[in-house]
Amino acid sequence: EAGVTQFPSHSVIEKGQTVTLRCDPISGHDNLYWYRRVMGKEIKFLLHFVKESKQDESGMPNNRFLAERTGGTYSTLKVQPAELEDSGVYFCASRPSGGAKSTDTQYFGPGTRLTVL
Amino acid sequence: GNSVTQMEGPVTLSEEAFLTINCTYTATGYPSLFWYVQYPGEGLQLLLKATKADDKGSNKGFEATYRKETTSFHLEKGSVQVSDSAVYFCALRKYNFNKFYFGSGTKLNVKP
Repeated sequence: EAGVTQFPSHSVIEKGQTVTLRCDPISGHDNLYWYRRVMGKEIKFLLHFVKESKQDESGMPNNRFLAERTGGTYSTLKVQPAELEDSGVYFCASRPSGGAKSTDTQYFGPGTRLTVL
Repeated sequence: GNSVTQMEGPVTLSEEAFLTINCTYTATGYPSLFWYVQYPGEGLQLLLKATKADDKGSNKGFEATYRKETTSFHLEKGSVQVSDSAVYFCALRKYNFNKFYFGSGTKLNVKP
């Protein structure tokens, strides 16, 4: 079974440019999450999709960030325009629906390292 | 609010040394607790978890016990290997609240 994949693995852009990150969850996983780790600090939640619907977007920092999951499969996270403080590692995770508390693990992708110059 | 605090790194040990990485949490109710590991160049992998008080999670020689009285979930390993060099993240998740709350990560360097 293929794991969560993310593209690109690394992106370097200039302040003011636009960048789009992509996440492909594990096939069949309805739940998809975005997180980011900035400057070696804690990994923070950004948002959660259930299929194509945004279940919780309380962690999105501002309106420069737009996440989509059309069709309930892969997801994109667009940053427009990018600022210096957006630099960090963006992680995607997925999880199937249902299941008991003891089995509901999120499976993480390798992350996209974003550098804004 | 919900938060996780873990010891700052880096932690540098010699091979076969005993490892402890401290993790304490703040949360209402009964969260599930996790340790994730990120090896160089790879993504986060679940290392172990515990879903209720006094549960012990274990995997690959690592152990952590869910201590509600001290709100802790310290990671231990009796004898580390060079291959254990990685960044370790402690995390909590409240049931029915899907998002994880992570600590800042602790980098472990194991020297031969």
